[in-house]
Amino acid sequence: EVQLVESGGGLVQPGGSLRLSCAASGFTFSNYWMSWVRQAPGKGLEWVANIKQDEIEKYYVDSVKGRFTISRDNAKNSLYLQMNSLRAEDTAVYYCAREGKAVAATYFDYWGQGTLVTVSS
Amino acid sequence: SFELTQPPSVSVSPGQTASMTCSGDKLGNKYACWYQQKPGQSPVLVIYQDTKRPSGIPERFSGSNSGNTATLTISGTQAMDEADYYCQAWGSSTAHVVFGGGTKLTVL
Repeated sequence: EVQLVESGGGLVQPGGSLRLSCAASGFTFSNYWMSWVRQAPGKGLEWVANIKQDEIEKYYVDSVKGRFTISRDNAKNSLYLQMNSLRAEDTAVYYCAREGKAVAATYFDYWGQGTLVTVSS
Repeated sequence: SFELTQPPSVSVSPGQTASMTCSGDKLGNKYACWYQQKPGQSPVLVIYQDTKRPSGIPERFSGSNSGNTATLTISGTQAMDEADYYCQAWGSSTAHVVFGGGTKLTVL
């Protein structure tokens, strides 16, 4: 059974930092692109970043470029999101999601339960 | 930048057919997918590659994509289908993923 379990969320002051983790199990983690997707309270889904299997390619939504860094450790079956210079508008539930393997298509076939990040003084 | 537009809400009577649209420039040239999200839960993939259903998704869920519009159709809608539905497609070489704003489906 595929499982994605996020951790590391919490309350942080504006300008602060937080590191999210996602523990993957039930599949060969090193074979898949992985993403972070967030959802602000009462709002829609927003893709944040993704990372290729070998970490060579990483992509970010414009609003987090230069502040967030996605990484992975295939030996530990883990995905990470280092978030620096946090802003109030980064407040959201952050989901770890596995990208499906269909050719020429990007979609998320498994999602974690999410971890809440609150940026507030 | 590439954007996807969804109507904020759709209403349907139980047993009837619900159709939800997702619009974007030349969306038919990309693959679209759809997620269902119930309150307090994580999103669930219901359609991918325009028309395919993941294992475990009921046959009443179907999808299409042509021109500028992708459509999610739920035939014989049930009360349990009441949820928010999000479309998603590949955005660009630098911003890989784009979501629509979501449609709240009400079954009444």
